[in-house]
Amino acid sequence: LAKTTQPISMDSYEGQEVNITCSHNNIATNDYITWYQQFPSQGPRFIIQGYKTKVTNEVASLFIPADRKSSTLSLPRVSLSDTAVYYCLVGDFIKAAGNKLTFGGGTRVLVKP
Amino acid sequence: EPEVTQTPSHQVTQMGQEVILRCVPISNHLYFYWYRQILGQKVEFLVSFYNNEISEKSEIFDDQFSVERPDGSNFTLKIRSTKLEDSAMYFCASSRTALTEAFFGQGTRLTVV
Repeated sequence: LAKTTQPISMDSYEGQEVNITCSHNNIATNDYITWYQQFPSQGPRFIIQGYKTKVTNEVASLFIPADRKSSTLSLPRVSLSDTAVYYCLVGDFIKAAGNKLTFGGGTRVLVKP
Repeated sequence: EPEVTQTPSHQVTQMGQEVILRCVPISNHLYFYWYRQILGQKVEFLVSFYNNEISEKSEIFDDQFSVERPDGSNFTLKIRSTKLEDSAMYFCASSRTALTEAFFGQGTRLTVV
């Protein structure tokens, strides 16, 4: 599995856009990039998944450059309730026998009023 | 919105006792997982289960642990002879296929005293 590196923490303010960049220099051809969110004392929650270019859903956007060695999760206009830990995961979800997820340390995002 | 439910939310047990953590995955999901998160640490994969058998397990999932799907709705994690270091949040998750996102439950906080 490709190793991922992301900032330990980030602070932001309500209404701002938050961008979290994840480095995955050893990403393999079959690897997808997935982001999860975890609130305190809750299980992780799927946010978005992508392979290349840009993916957008109702919650976030995921930007993946052509070399795929990094990815950026973009959270538009955050609110206090977006305070959470955000995990970047890279894995061959096509070959995986079930969805084994390998979590790193994540990025702790604190949204301030 | 369908969700994964786990019971109990908190379990306290004495060292050496056996515990069973229970989960009801989302009804049309076919893949089931257990993860754990020791306080302040990463979310760690324990085991995945498909078609009534373990499809993958981590090094953590030794002979002390077992999983079972006793009926069409429940998925259980049994920990025999609990140790202090088994104290953690245990998350159950399920996914519809091997390629789709995993949905996590709220977790069971296990405290071994």
